[in-house]
Amino acid sequence: AQSVTQPDIHITVSEGASLELRCNYSYGATPYLFWYVQSPGQGLQLLLKYFSGDTLVQGIKGFEAEFKRSQSSFNLRKPSVHWSDAAEYFCTVGAPDTGNQFYFGTGTSLTVIP
Amino acid sequence: EAQVTQNPRYLITVTGKKLTVTCSQNMNHEYMSWYRQDPGLGLRQIYYSMNVEVTDKGDVPEGYKVSRKEKRNFPLILESPSPNQTSLYFCASARERANQPQHFGDGTRLSIL
Repeated sequence: AQSVTQPDIHITVSEGASLELRCNYSYGATPYLFWYVQSPGQGLQLLLKYFSGDTLVQGIKGFEAEFKRSQSSFNLRKPSVHWSDAAEYFCTVGAPDTGNQFYFGTGTSLTVIP
Repeated sequence: EAQVTQNPRYLITVTGKKLTVTCSQNMNHEYMSWYRQDPGLGLRQIYYSMNVEVTDKGDVPEGYKVSRKEKRNFPLILESPSPNQTSLYFCASARERANQPQHFGDGTRLSIL
């Protein structure tokens, strides 16, 4: 069965520090991977996506993610975190080959301290 | 402006009183979906639709109905709401299939007393 695991429920980082949010997925076919960000009281906004090709993808707001097929991972990174990055982050797998559903991780809540 | 519009944004109601949450998109997307978001559980797909008159169950469809009579609209119907359906609901659309990024509405906070 398809699933997405985000092992870190909550992460706290200092402003200016680097960030890595972990995501592992289980999907038998070609994965279509997404990271979304949800600011308090808001809907979800797409940060970046991976379909194929270069395994390091760049997104908005200075975020990047690396797809590692051997580890079934799609970790999100940012070299220097800003206070405005405080939000909830969701990793998502799209499954067009097995029913066309989307599967979300449980999310990682990011707190940024000055 | 490309957007997904949900109404209402907030609703408090009582057990058993039928309600409908509307969702409309202006991007001519074929794929539309409903999710519920609960603390510690992330977003779970309720129903989705690949096109007009085509709907499929997601992971948590019990107690919900949907319809897709027009391409732009995808209402979520709770015919007999119960307190365990108290949640934050999101509608989303994507261009064609589950290999495309989704556009999300701003959410509907439902409280069933």
